Amino acid sequence: GENVEQHPSTLSVQEGDSAVIKCTYSDSASNYFPWYKQELGKGPQLIIDIRSNVGEKKDQRIAVTLNKTAKHFSLHITETQPEDSAVYFCAASKAAGNKLTFGGGTRVLVKP
Amino acid sequence: EADIYQTPRYLVIGTGKKITLECSQTMGHDKMYWYQQDPGMELHLIHYSYGVNSTEKGDLSSESTVSRIRTEHFPLTLESARPSHTSQYLCASSEAGNRANTEAFFGQGTRLTVV
Repeated sequence: GENVEQHPSTLSVQEGDSAVIKCTYSDSASNYFPWYKQELGKGPQLIIDIRSNVGEKKDQRIAVTLNKTAKHFSLHITETQPEDSAVYFCAASKAAGNKLTFGGGTRVLVKP
Repeated sequence: EADIYQTPRYLVIGTGKKITLECSQTMGHDKMYWYQQDPGMELHLIHYSYGVNSTEKGDLSSESTVSRIRTEHFPLTLESARPSHTSQYLCASSEAGNRANTEAFFGQGTRLTVV
C-alpha cells in the first residue's frame, strides 16, 4: 500500500518568514496530493491540492510543488502569519475522492 | 464550512461499555471514512464506505465496526470499549469519482477516553 513520509515534524518560524514542508510517497500510481490544515480542536481542512498532471500550483501565500519522478511534493507558505500556526498534513491517493494516506503531520508555530 | 457532523465531541466511558460514535453529512456524498488520530498527530484510516451497504476495513486494524444504511449516516461502534481505544476519531466524506472539487471534508472529531 501507499506510504507517505512528511518532514519536519515540527517547524518554528518568525512571522513574515517562509515555511516549507516536504513529503515523499511510495506508490507511483498515486496522482492526487492534497494538503490539510488542522487547528486545535478542529478537523483537518483542505488548503490546497495538486494533481499529477501539473508540477506547481499557487493560491495566494501558499504553493505546492510536485516532482513525480522523485515522488515528492512540498508545501510552501510565504509571509507567514500567526494564524498559520497549526498542524499541516500532506496526503496521497490514486484519485481525487478516493481514500487518502496521510503523512505524519507537521506542527507549525509562527512566532510574532 | 463543511456540512459534516460528529457527536459526541467528547466522551469519557468505562471499560466494557458499548459505544456508538455518530457521523452525518448533508452533502449527499457517496464516500465516507473514519480515521483514528494518535496523540502524536498521525491519521490512520480504519474504515471506509463507497456507498450504501458498502463498508471496508482501512489500513489500520480496528476492533470497531461500521454500518452504512443511509447515504448521510456512517456510525462507528465499539462493542466493548477498552483503554487502548482512547483516541480522537475523525469522520470524513467526499464525492465519488475523479471530478474536480472532490476534496474530503472532515468533521470536528470525537475525543474518546476509556477509563
